[in-house]
Amino acid sequence: GAVVSQHPSRVICKSGTSVKIECRSLDFQATTMFWYRQFPKQSLMLMATSNEGSKATYEQGVEKDKFLINHASLTLSTLTVTSAHPEDSSFYICSARPRTDYEQYFGPGTRLTVT
Amino acid sequence: QKEVEQNSGPLSVPEGAIASLNCTYSDRGSQSFFWYRQYSGKSPELIMFIYSNGDKEDGRFTAQLNKASQYVSLLIRDSQPSDSATYLCASYTSGTYKYIFGTGTRLKVLA
Repeated sequence: GAVVSQHPSRVICKSGTSVKIECRSLDFQATTMFWYRQFPKQSLMLMATSNEGSKATYEQGVEKDKFLINHASLTLSTLTVTSAHPEDSSFYICSARPRTDYEQYFGPGTRLTVT
Repeated sequence: QKEVEQNSGPLSVPEGAIASLNCTYSDRGSQSFFWYRQYSGKSPELIMFIYSNGDKEDGRFTAQLNKASQYVSLLIRDSQPSDSATYLCASYTSGTYKYIFGTGTRLKVLA
């Protein structure tokens, strides 16, 4: 149980375009979903926390207009990177937390490359 | 700034030995602590979590928590080459509903 999927697993896009990443909890309802970014050889950096039906809470330094997060249902959250630039190239990982657990379950991640 | 600190390593141990990974945290309000293993290019996978002082064992893994010293550790017994990975320590505070990750310790188990 507690499986989280992410799609796509890998995406290459051109500078200036937008990319949408989906995160789904497959066998549980996720009241909270988290979006992280990880640059090579660095740790996970929390970008934002989203609760179903509410606006996402962004971490300091993360541009909310650039990284649009929607948590439309208890099983789906999306991250849209708008007007992507090469410096946005990174490994984006979502996680989901059920209502009753302290644990968060990670998706497999999305490798974004902006050319 | 609430922090979780880990030695980046690499920590090298021979196959079959005990690997000891350590983590300190600054927020006394942290309630739960998690150990994740992350292979290169993959997302983290949960090894175990602990929220009470003392030891918690799960197979070859033992997590230890000392809230007075704000210290968490993970012991891996009978280390295998497949245990070679980066180990991330994270704290969770219900007041903020956030997990704070350390930078990770890279473990190398030598065959």
